[in-house]
Amino acid sequence: AQSVTQLDSHVSVSEGTPVLLRCNYSSSYSPSLFWYVQHPNKGLQLLLKYTSAATLVKGINGFEAEFKKSETSFHLTKPSAHMSDAAEYFCVVTRGFSGGYNKLIFGAGTRLAVHP
Amino acid sequence: DAGVTQSPTHLIKTRGQHVTLRCSPISGHKSVSWYQQVLGQGPQFIFQYYEKEERGRGNFPDRFSARQFPNYSSELNVNALLLGDSALYLCASSFDVGSENIQYFGAGTRLSVL
Repeated sequence: AQSVTQLDSHVSVSEGTPVLLRCNYSSSYSPSLFWYVQHPNKGLQLLLKYTSAATLVKGINGFEAEFKKSETSFHLTKPSAHMSDAAEYFCVVTRGFSGGYNKLIFGAGTRLAVHP
Repeated sequence: DAGVTQSPTHLIKTRGQHVTLRCSPISGHKSVSWYQQVLGQGPQFIFQYYEKEERGRGNFPDRFSARQFPNYSSELNVNALLLGDSALYLCASSFDVGSENIQYFGAGTRLSVL
């Protein structure tokens, strides 16, 4: 079975400092992995996805993530935080196309706070 | 281009009532999925539909049902509402159901059960 664990429920950084949001996954086969962001009262927006191509994935708004199979990790990073990055971030693994459908399996989320 | 649209945005119901939530997918997308997001948690999968057929169902009671129409829009129905059904209900659309397909989310319907 697939699962994902976000290691920090809250992360607080100062504007202009690096961001690291940690995610470990469990999957019985090569997973597809995603990071989504949710701003208050808004829907989920895709930041980036990994689907077995390059292990370093670049996303929108300067975010990137590195797939490390040996560590079963998919951590999200950004070199310099902006105030607008404050939001809830979700690491997601897919169930894979098994049984004729594919569902997203979400982590519990990490709330990122950015201070001036 | 319009994204995924959901209606209504907010809804207040009392225990025991029935509710219908609606979702219009991105034009050209044939699959719609529904997720429930309880406050402070990640979304949980409820249903996935493709070409008007239910393809998958999450661990939710039979009080939850859904359907997809010929124009690929979808409804989620919940009967005999419980307090615990209070949540943000998210609809996502994708071109098909392959594992590499991106699911695009609407802003959600916030349901409050009193």
